[in-house]
Amino acid sequence: EVQLVESGGGLVQPGGSLRLSCVASGFILSTDWMYWVRQAPGKGLVWVSRINTDGSSTTYADSVKGRFTTSRDNAKNALFLQMNSLRAEDTGVYYCARGPYGSRSYYDYWGQGSLVTVSS
Amino acid sequence: DIVMTQSPDSLAVSLGERTTINCKSSQSVLSSSDNKNFLAWYQHKPGQPPRLLIYWASARLSGVPDRFSGSGSGTDFTLSISSLQAEDVAVYYCQQYYSTPQTFGQGTKVEIK
Repeated sequence: EVQLVESGGGLVQPGGSLRLSCVASGFILSTDWMYWVRQAPGKGLVWVSRINTDGSSTTYADSVKGRFTTSRDNAKNALFLQMNSLRAEDTGVYYCARGPYGSRSYYDYWGQGSLVTVSS
Repeated sequence: DIVMTQSPDSLAVSLGERTTINCKSSQSVLSSSDNKNFLAWYQHKPGQPPRLLIYWASARLSGVPDRFSGSGSGTDFTLSISSLQAEDVAVYYCQQYYSTPQTFGQGTKVEIK
């Protein structure tokens, strides 16, 4: 069974940092592009970033570019989202997701979500 | 960026009735090279992650009930639920994955009348 298990969310002050993890099971992570999507409270889904199979290529939404970094450790079947210089508007639930069709893909499996709260 | 606009924002439907949600993209998401529409539909319930229902505009994911169907091409798409069940209460999102940033519609909330 394919599963994506997220961890690392929490409460952080504005300007602080947080690192989210997403561990995959039931499939080989190295074969798929991976994505991060977030949802602010009461709002819709927003694409955050993507990373290619070997981690050599990443793309980010303008709202997080320069502050967030996506990486992966295929040996550990894990995906990461390093979030720096956090702002109140970064508050929300963050989902990792698998994209089986590469750089232009729908998302067939999602993590359970990690809640990030940026507040003083 | 491609803007995805769904209609309506919400609707209340009786059990067993047919439901239709519309999604319009500001640019075509049809790839001429492989004749595929880069359009997906997701179901999102509170406290759960989104669930993929439909991809390539009309391909139903394995395990998704056949009461869910997708149609459309280019810029205009539709998600239909042929006979609404209680477990279908959720917010539904369309998403284009034709270009980056991949964008979602604002969501359509489906409730029971």
